[in-house]
Amino acid sequence: NAGVTQTPKFQVLKTGQSMTLQCAQDMNHEYMSWYRQDPGMGLRLIHYSVGAGITDQGEVPNGYNVSRSTTEDFPLRLLSAAPSQTSVYFCASRRAGANVLTFGAGSRLTVL
Amino acid sequence: AQSVTQLGSHVSVSEGALVLLRCNYSSSVPPYLFWYVQYPNQGLQLLLKYTSAATLVKGINGFEAEFKKSETSFHLTKPSAHMSDAAEYFCAVSEGLRLTGGGNKLTFGTGTQLKVEL
Repeated sequence: NAGVTQTPKFQVLKTGQSMTLQCAQDMNHEYMSWYRQDPGMGLRLIHYSVGAGITDQGEVPNGYNVSRSTTEDFPLRLLSAAPSQTSVYFCASRRAGANVLTFGAGSRLTVL
Repeated sequence: AQSVTQLGSHVSVSEGALVLLRCNYSSSVPPYLFWYVQYPNQGLQLLLKYTSAATLVKGINGFEAEFKKSETSFHLTKPSAHMSDAAEYFCAVSEGLRLTGGGNKLTFGTGTQLKVEL
């Protein structure tokens, strides 16, 4: 059982470049979300989705786009990367009615 | 609005000593409370959770936490630290009644790095 799979694990970008962080889960979870983790700030919610075709903003959505075309996948897009987006990104999911998140292993992004 | 405060960004204990990691929360409704652990270069794993049942919650690896409404606290303890407990620990809160509705809005604390020394 793979759980939540994130790719890539590491990425270095130049300012202004775009990229997509991939997240896939094989548990048929309805809810999926993206967090960023920064030193001394814990985890902050970027975007979340309650099901295919439905997304909403979290605490720090600026500079990020998401879509949810299938139950399994929830990609996070950076359209024009900035150094402030240097962080570790975590995807997490849960089934409807549950209260525990399952996290991916994280994607470390550096923007130069 | 909900929030979590973790006192002490770094805690150091000797192997075999008591582990106490502090967490205080703020919530406008009865909260659900969680402790997650993050080992180096890994994602977060659930240690334990409080969801309005027993106030003393037991989790994995010998950890437990007690919900104290009067103190708005949910401190994490372990009687005897082991080297393998070295990790970062996050306390988190959600407004339980809303968690099953419009999304998994979990608010995390800033984390406590636990160091275990010989």
